[in-house]
Amino acid sequence: SYVLTQPPSVSVTPGKTARITCGGYNIGRKTVHWYQQKPGQAPKVVIYYDSDRPSGTPERFSGSNSGDTATLTISGVEAGDEADYYCQVCDSSSDRWVFGGGTKLTVL
Amino acid sequence: EVHLVESGGGLVQPGRSLRLSCAGSGFVFDDYAMHWVRQAPGKGLEWVSGISWNNGTAGYADSVKGRFTISRDNAKNSLYLQMNSLTPEDTALYYCAKGAMPTIHEVGSFDHWGQGTLVTVSS
Repeated sequence: SYVLTQPPSVSVTPGKTARITCGGYNIGRKTVHWYQQKPGQAPKVVIYYDSDRPSGTPERFSGSNSGDTATLTISGVEAGDEADYYCQVCDSSSDRWVFGGGTKLTVL
Repeated sequence: EVHLVESGGGLVQPGRSLRLSCAGSGFVFDDYAMHWVRQAPGKGLEWVSGISWNNGTAGYADSVKGRFTISRDNAKNSLYLQMNSLTPEDTALYYCAKGAMPTIHEVGSFDHWGQGTLVTVSS
């Protein structure tokens, strides 16, 4: 089965740039979605189709996907961005959906 | 506004069954695939199952295949998850999520989520 690998944690100071990676075999050939989950809340999509932003997602959030790594980039990080972030793909070979293990973003 | 409300969770003994429901509103329910995603306490997200708009295709995670059955009643704008032979490893918050596309094959995101219903499997 397809596996997505994320770093367990990323720390960043306010105003700096945070990059959260999502590794998977040839993930660049798949479509990646990113979800943000704050404590006690349901997840919400912040980036879809690799790099598109839903309405409501600040422009500070961007995504890229190439080779074996997809990346969620948050520029000018704010305290309110502190959350768990998950990448997701559809494994079309098995009709199953896969989430990465999640990355806890800490704003120092 | 899209609303998804899960129900049916609770405390159940190992080996027993439970049926979860999800009521959708604020969108044309039978235009979209629907999914169940779970999150064990302190853990990450795990996709459990998904079903296409017309009940035509369903998919399951290996961890639940053969024990769980997903279904939907479009006339009632409702999604279900029948869970049999439950084990403590099934203990989690179960979310209902709306797909952005009609089928589970298509790569649209899960664009709306409910608040979840807690399932605890314990003797």
